[in-house]
Amino acid sequence: DAKTTQPTSMDCAEGRAANLPCNHSTISGNEYVYWYRQIHSQGPQYIIHGLKNNETNEMASLIITEDRKSSTLILPHATLRDTAVYYCIVRVGESNFGNEKLTFGTGTRLTIIP
Amino acid sequence: DGGITQSPKYLFRKEGQNVTLSCEQNLNHDAMYWYRQDPGQGLRLIYYSQIVNDFQKGDIAEGYSVSREKKESFPLTVTSAQKNPTAFYLCASSISAGSYEQYFGPGTRLTVT
Repeated sequence: DAKTTQPTSMDCAEGRAANLPCNHSTISGNEYVYWYRQIHSQGPQYIIHGLKNNETNEMASLIITEDRKSSTLILPHATLRDTAVYYCIVRVGESNFGNEKLTFGTGTRLTIIP
Repeated sequence: DGGITQSPKYLFRKEGQNVTLSCEQNLNHDAMYWYRQDPGQGLRLIYYSQIVNDFQKGDIAEGYSVSREKKESFPLTVTSAQKNPTAFYLCASSISAGSYEQYFGPGTRLTVT
């Protein structure tokens, strides 16, 4: 699996959009970008994933650059409950049996400021 | 409600004792996983199971053992051979081994003194 690079920490004002960057310059053509978050002392929670097109769901949007070497997770209207560690992970897609591992790095600690 | 349960939330043991952490899921998922998390670190995969009666070692399996006798249950035993057992242990499951989304339990914080 390709490695990812994320900033160690970020702050965002409550109600503003939180933009979390991730670099994955060695990503392969069949690898997806996944985002999870972990609120303190809880298990991680899946947020969103994508291959090359931008994706949006009820939690967030994922913007992937055209060369796929970086991506940005956007939380459109951050709340205090969004304070967590956010993990950007690249992994081969769902159909590849035998590649079950999600490699969690240290992530970005996002703090929402009231 | 469907989900993953881990018990207990906090566990204390003396050094040299084996301890078993419970993980149960009622999501009807085939695949289950155990991760370890140390303070300020990411998650590291200990063992995973793609199907009942089958499991594979992850990145840090030494000092741990698992069983998968039932689809719903994937207990982890931390043996006395594990040199640094104090950590936060997370269990997860997914619909199948290749599924993109893993569902995590609340975790068990193990302290060995």
